[in-house]
Amino acid sequence: DVKVTQSSRYLVKRTGEKVFLECVQDMDHENMFWYRQDPGLGLRLIYFSYDVKMKEKGDIPEGYSVSREKKERFSLILESASTNQTSMYLCASSSSGQGWQTQYFGPGTRLLVL
Amino acid sequence: ILNVEQSPQSLHVQEGDSTNFTCSFPSSNFYALHWYRWETAKSPEALFVMTLNGDEKKKGQISATLNTKEGYSYLYIKGSQPEDSATYLCAFEVNRDDKIIFGKGTRLHILP
Repeated sequence: DVKVTQSSRYLVKRTGEKVFLECVQDMDHENMFWYRQDPGLGLRLIYFSYDVKMKEKGDIPEGYSVSREKKERFSLILESASTNQTSMYLCASSSSGQGWQTQYFGPGTRLLVL
Repeated sequence: ILNVEQSPQSLHVQEGDSTNFTCSFPSSNFYALHWYRWETAKSPEALFVMTLNGDEKKKGQISATLNTKEGYSYLYIKGSQPEDSATYLCAFEVNRDDKIIFGKGTRLHILP
């Protein structure tokens, strides 16, 4: 079974802090994604990566950056956390090998910025 | 802007009843349509992926159909059980190796 893990389930940070959210997958997937989920807005794509050291902006990249130094790890960075970044963050991975991209999700990190 | 619409947003169904809900997507540049189930406090899990017009998939009491010409997919649940309570997400895949666009989901509540 594919396993996607995220470093924290719950996180409380203060405005202005730098925040790192880590995601690790164990299935050698090429593609990794970061989403945030807010009530009434569904899943919104922040950043994604199709390979090591590659990154692409999603729909809402402002205020975020990412790092993919190793194939299995995709990090989301909030350079200076703000209260409007309080949200549920979901990481996902997928393989390009089968054509379509079924995504495998981590358990999510619920971030509260005070 | 490509948009994926799901309806209804929320649904309450009596245990044992059958139900269905809809995912609408752009009919151009279609590559694949995915359905996910997202239970509270868990991760979204893939249910189905459909790629051809007329595709039908079934998993237990849950089934899905696909119409790429008119841009919709239906998800059916026959004889709803409490464990079917979840948010059901559909996701539209545009061309190969392009990003996936998620709908906002249908939140299903099964009433005992």
